[in-house]
Amino acid sequence: DAKTTQPPSMDCAEGRAANLPCNHSTISGNEYVYWYRQIHSQGPQYIIHGLKNNETNEMASLIITEDRKSSTLILPHATLRDTAVYYCTPLKKVDMLTFGGGTRLMVKP
Amino acid sequence: NAGVTQTPKFRILKIGQSMTLQCAQDMNHNYMYWYRQDPGMGLKLIYYSVGAGITDKGEVPNGYNVSRSTTEDFPLRLELAAPSQTSVYFCASSYPSGNGELFFGEGSRLTVL
Repeated sequence: DAKTTQPPSMDCAEGRAANLPCNHSTISGNEYVYWYRQIHSQGPQYIIHGLKNNETNEMASLIITEDRKSSTLILPHATLRDTAVYYCTPLKKVDMLTFGGGTRLMVKP
Repeated sequence: NAGVTQTPKFRILKIGQSMTLQCAQDMNHNYMYWYRQDPGMGLKLIYYSVGAGITDKGEVPNGYNVSRSTTEDFPLRLELAAPSQTSVYFCASSYPSGNGELFFGEGSRLTVL
């Protein structure tokens, strides 16, 4: 299974875009890239996923490089409530979704 | 819908005791999962189930047992509790053919002393 690398922490000013990178250089052709976040000690929350194309939903945008070795999650207008740990995880089968260390995003006023 | 409900939310166990963490979902999801999260770490998959009567091991199954007699319930049994099992336990569920979106419970915080 593919391994991911994310920066351990990032800061973002409130109202600005938060760009969270993820390296998944060993991802295989049929593995999707999933993003979840965990606010404080709550259960993780699904954000978005993609395979090859860029994706957008009401929460975020996902940009996947053409070679699929990395991706970026974009929160277009970060708010204080977006402060959380963000997990990037490859997924081949839904029954084996796993979570690494993630990026702790701190949104500051 | 209540979603995924976990009980208890907090529990303190003594070494060697046993207990069961309960998980129930009312979304008619086939897939259910148990994860554990140690302080400052990501989540690790303990066991999962793809339907009633079917369970399988995840990354860290040792010291735990599960059963799935109904679609709604997926209890996690800890036998002979050890300090290494001090953690926050999350239950989750999903559709089998869905988009990989897991719905998580609020977690059960377990301390073994």
